[in-house]
Amino acid sequence: KNQVEQSPQSLIILEGKNCTLQCNYTVSPFSNLRWYKQDTGRGPVSLTIMTFSENTKSNGRYTATLDADTKQSSLHITASQLSDSASYICVVSARDRRGNEKLTFGTGTRLTIIP
Amino acid sequence: DAGVIQSPRHEVTEMGQEVTLRCKPISGHDYLFWYRQTMMRGLELLIYFNNNVPIDDSGMPEDRFSAKMPNASFSTLKIQPSEPRDSAVYFCASSFGTGGYTFGSGTRLTVV
Repeated sequence: KNQVEQSPQSLIILEGKNCTLQCNYTVSPFSNLRWYKQDTGRGPVSLTIMTFSENTKSNGRYTATLDADTKQSSLHITASQLSDSASYICVVSARDRRGNEKLTFGTGTRLTIIP
Repeated sequence: DAGVIQSPRHEVTEMGQEVTLRCKPISGHDYLFWYRQTMMRGLELLIYFNNNVPIDDSGMPEDRFSAKMPNASFSTLKIQPSEPRDSAVYFCASSFGTGGYTFGSGTRLTVV
């Protein structure tokens, strides 16, 4: 069964500090992995998308890594800001035999930045 | 572009009533997705369309749920009859191809 597990479930850090969120998956056949940021009361917004051949991708202060061998990904946030407070969702995509994409969502990490 | 537009933003209804959620995808996008999000289960894909045709509805919970996409600029998700366990935030998302999805702001449904 395809699964995506994220850790920690929640995290509280001081403004300005760095943090790393983890995502482990058992999704096959792997197509791509995405990280989304979801602010309270809003829809998820895409941060990064990585395919099998990519092992790191940055978007401003956000850097995602992918290890397709160990089926792990991380999202590193540098110099956190209050606006980084949100849920971060890892989503892994597989393709079925007809080429249709099927997404498996993690339950997210709730990040709180305190001043 | 105004993004993916969902309506209503909030819906409170009594158990047994019919509920219709609406979505206008981004113009030019050929995929449209309906998701449900709850605290317990996170985001779950209910159904998605490609070029207005339903491709995968395996996530639709039961026959009480139905979705239509009569044209490229409009989709509905209907629950009939609604039950308290349907209470959740329902998101619509669209994409061009299977690249990055753009989500709407969601409809918060409360069934009492």
